[in-house]
Amino acid sequence: DQQVKQNSPSLSVQEGRISILNCDYTNSMFDYFLWYKKYPAEGPTFLISISSIKDKNEDGRFTVFLNKSAKHLSLHIVPSQPGDSAVYFCAASGGNKLVFGAGTILRVKS
Amino acid sequence: EAQVTQNPRYLITVTGKKLTVTCSQNMNHEYMSWYRQDPGLGLRQIYYSMNVEVTDKGDVPEGYKVSRKEKRNFPLILESPSPNQTSLYFCASSFNGLYGYTFGSGTRLTVV
Repeated sequence: DQQVKQNSPSLSVQEGRISILNCDYTNSMFDYFLWYKKYPAEGPTFLISISSIKDKNEDGRFTVFLNKSAKHLSLHIVPSQPGDSAVYFCAASGGNKLVFGAGTILRVKS
Repeated sequence: EAQVTQNPRYLITVTGKKLTVTCSQNMNHEYMSWYRQDPGLGLRQIYYSMNVEVTDKGDVPEGYKVSRKEKRNFPLILESPSPNQTSLYFCASSFNGLYGYTFGSGTRLTVV
């Protein structure tokens, strides 16, 4: 039973437009949410996070939104750049565990 | 430079031949963890360690062993590898186990 779900395996966006990556979770015990970015042949790197007491966190071109009632979070990238092309993993933490989603492949076309 | 180092990066082995994948971190982190990445399944936790001599099972521990004799090292041991353990493995460390994980570059293991 996947506790963190990323239902879109891939997303293709034009350079300069907005990329929206979605993530749903099922466990109400999760209290911290993160997005990781992964390039081929490299380990995942931390991108942005949000605590469950907030509904939005912004860092430059990246914004994460959290809707606790819907158990849903999203990552917005504006504007999207070709260098953003990577696999994005949503993760949720709580109770000494960090659980990842299956990942979404983002392709930004120039 | 703060980093997590895994070795080897690539490994092809035969069924049943014991192997160890090493992991070392230089950030004095207490938490360390092993994940495997498989298509469509994302990163699944194999084992984690909250401190020296303290380890616990993750979501997919079957067929794996770990040890934490020193704070910086957290080796992953496959006593009798099988083809279903063919995967991409990542070691990670964190100062509190909840966020701020730093990942190694990965070990691609193929068991034939």
